[in-house]
Amino acid sequence: NSKVIQTPRYLVKGQGQKAKMRCIPEKGHPVVFWYQQNKNNEFKFLINFQNQEVLQQIDMTEKRFSAECPSNSPCSLEIQSSEAGDSALYLCASSPDWGSQNTLYFGAGTRLSVL
Amino acid sequence: TQTVSQSDAHVTVFEGDSVELRCNYSYGGSIYLSWYIQHHGRGLQFLLKYYSGNPVVQGVNGFEAEFSKSDSSFHLRKASVHWSDSAVYFCAVSAIDMGYKLTFGTGTSLLVDP
Repeated sequence: NSKVIQTPRYLVKGQGQKAKMRCIPEKGHPVVFWYQQNKNNEFKFLINFQNQEVLQQIDMTEKRFSAECPSNSPCSLEIQSSEAGDSALYLCASSPDWGSQNTLYFGAGTRLSVL
Repeated sequence: TQTVSQSDAHVTVFEGDSVELRCNYSYGGSIYLSWYIQHHGRGLQFLLKYYSGNPVVQGVNGFEAEFSKSDSSFHLRKASVHWSDSAVYFCAVSAIDMGYKLTFGTGTSLLVDP
């Protein structure tokens, strides 16, 4: 079983509100990915990190999305001003190294509902 | 650009039946192929992966998948399913020159009737 811990499991926000979710990767995993899974099971890659450094990210929806993986603290993903279209399951995944990226260990996700 | 197609949105079988979940991809270069399972309300769990070598790879819980370059496929199989195998199964591809980002199919929902 995966040891990636995501909190909270559920998040309900009004439009325009901030939404913040956290992820603790598996111990010893320096690589972290964030994905968005919508209700149609379409996945969107958001960002990935190696240690604290951003490796790749999409043009994060007019910069409303921000993420970080500080040293000795949980990683986080924040939406500055939530929109209805942001309602989705946000999945955090970690990997022991860049070369084995194909094996990702996922958390249970944070389900965001924007009312 | 990588694309992944899972042609069957839903598959229903009886417990003890064999099952094959289909995955086709399109990409011109060297790729990694993998399958993940998602039980209701949970995150994705890794099942198996292929990059090179023996085209038949074994995974957890009796699953295996076979890579076919000629068919651009990576179908998942299990000889005898259990009710607990009911879940959504996702095929995923990634490539070195795409920065290893996984591209997922839209999943196949497997329902195993007891």
